[in-house]
Amino acid sequence: GQNIDQPTEMTATEGAIVQINCTYQTSGFNGLFWYQQHAGEAPTFLSYNVLDGLEEKGRFSSFLSRSKGYSYLLLKELQMKDSASYLCAGGGADGLTFGKGTHLIIQP
Amino acid sequence: DTAVSQTPKYLVTQMGNDKSIKCEQNLGHDTMYWYKQDSKKFLKIMFSYNNKELIINETVPNRFSPKSPDKAHLNLHINSLELGDSAVYFCASSPTSGSYNEQFFGPGTRLTVL
Repeated sequence: GQNIDQPTEMTATEGAIVQINCTYQTSGFNGLFWYQQHAGEAPTFLSYNVLDGLEEKGRFSSFLSRSKGYSYLLLKELQMKDSASYLCAGGGADGLTFGKGTHLIIQP
Repeated sequence: DTAVSQTPKYLVTQMGNDKSIKCEQNLGHDTMYWYKQDSKKFLKIMFSYNNKELIINETVPNRFSPKSPDKAHLNLHINSLELGDSAVYFCASSPTSGSYNEQFFGPGTRLTVL
């Protein structure tokens, strides 16, 4: 099985940068996903890391360290529409296991 | 075109009833899933279904049963509904069963059991 841990809630300011951390313990690790979920909507895919290092995609970047069981999602130039929950998910022998999500609040 | 669709979007029913939620994907994916998201927003896998192979999360009560008439459809049937079944149920699909695949989620079905 897997254990995924991430903060419950974070607050940041419009235009700033925020880093959402995720730690995981997993058997048969197969990669680390980040999903975004707006209130009342379905989760949508943001990023996937299977090798160590940083993957950059526009304003969003995701980092993975397999030796430390650690990932983060970095959001730059924050916009009000980035207010959402961000779900860390580990791929493993049992499929995808999601963390409880980090509710990100963006303030003007 | 909607990639993964679910019906109904909202379902309100009495305790003890039996209900079904339908899911269809037009992505040509081989694997489909059902997730339950509770009031605390915790998203938990219930089933994955790939080429007639069903993988069940052992914590799911046997009142819940997935039914797949073909590769593009995975319906969820729930018997003897209980108050604790109230949640949002998401269907998802991925190209294959490998957990390295991105999953595409449907819009969700909000089930309320009274």
